[in-house]
Amino acid sequence: AQSVTQPDIHITVSEGASLELRCNYSYGATPYLFWYVQSPGQGLQLLLKYFSGDTLVQGIKGFEAEFKRSQSSFNLRKPSVHWSDAAEYFCAVGSMDSSYKLIFGSGTRLLVRP
Amino acid sequence: DGGITQSPKYLFRKEGQNVTLSCEQNLNHDAMYWYRQDPGQGLRLIYYSQIVNDFQKGDIAEGYSVSREKKESFPLTVTSAQKNPTAFYLCASRGDRGHEQYFGPGTRLTVT
Repeated sequence: AQSVTQPDIHITVSEGASLELRCNYSYGATPYLFWYVQSPGQGLQLLLKYFSGDTLVQGIKGFEAEFKRSQSSFNLRKPSVHWSDAAEYFCAVGSMDSSYKLIFGSGTRLLVRP
Repeated sequence: DGGITQSPKYLFRKEGQNVTLSCEQNLNHDAMYWYRQDPGQGLRLIYYSQIVNDFQKGDIAEGYSVSREKKESFPLTVTSAQKNPTAFYLCASRGDRGHEQYFGPGTRLTVT
């Protein structure tokens, strides 16, 4: 079965520092991969997606992610974090069955130090 | 202004009562989904619908029911049979061309 692992429950970074959030997936073929962000009490906003092609994908708000097939990873990065980036981040893989559902990791909460 | 709306934002019910959560979209998407989110966990699929008048159970459908009479609307009913209904409920839709889903703002249901 497909699954997604986000090994870090919480991450704290200083404003202006770089950020990397880890995501590992289990799936044999090339997956559809996504990163979403959720502010407290809000819905999820799509940051970026990977379907095929260039393994480095750019998203909104200055985020990027790199697909590494050999490591089954899709880590999210940002070169300089802003206080407004504090939120919960979810990695997801698209199911290849007829539901096209998203299978989510358990999320990483990002705290930003002033 | 296209998007997904969910109402109400907060909902309080007593045990034993059924409650219906609203989800409306004006994105002209065929597919719609209901997910449940619990603290410290990712989202889990309750039900989904790929087309009007058709819907399928997801991974945690027990104690829930849905209908899809209109393309724009996909209401979720939380029945008294759901053992632990207190959660944050998110509705999403998906277009025809991609796998990405777009989410509504969510409804927080508290049952006491």
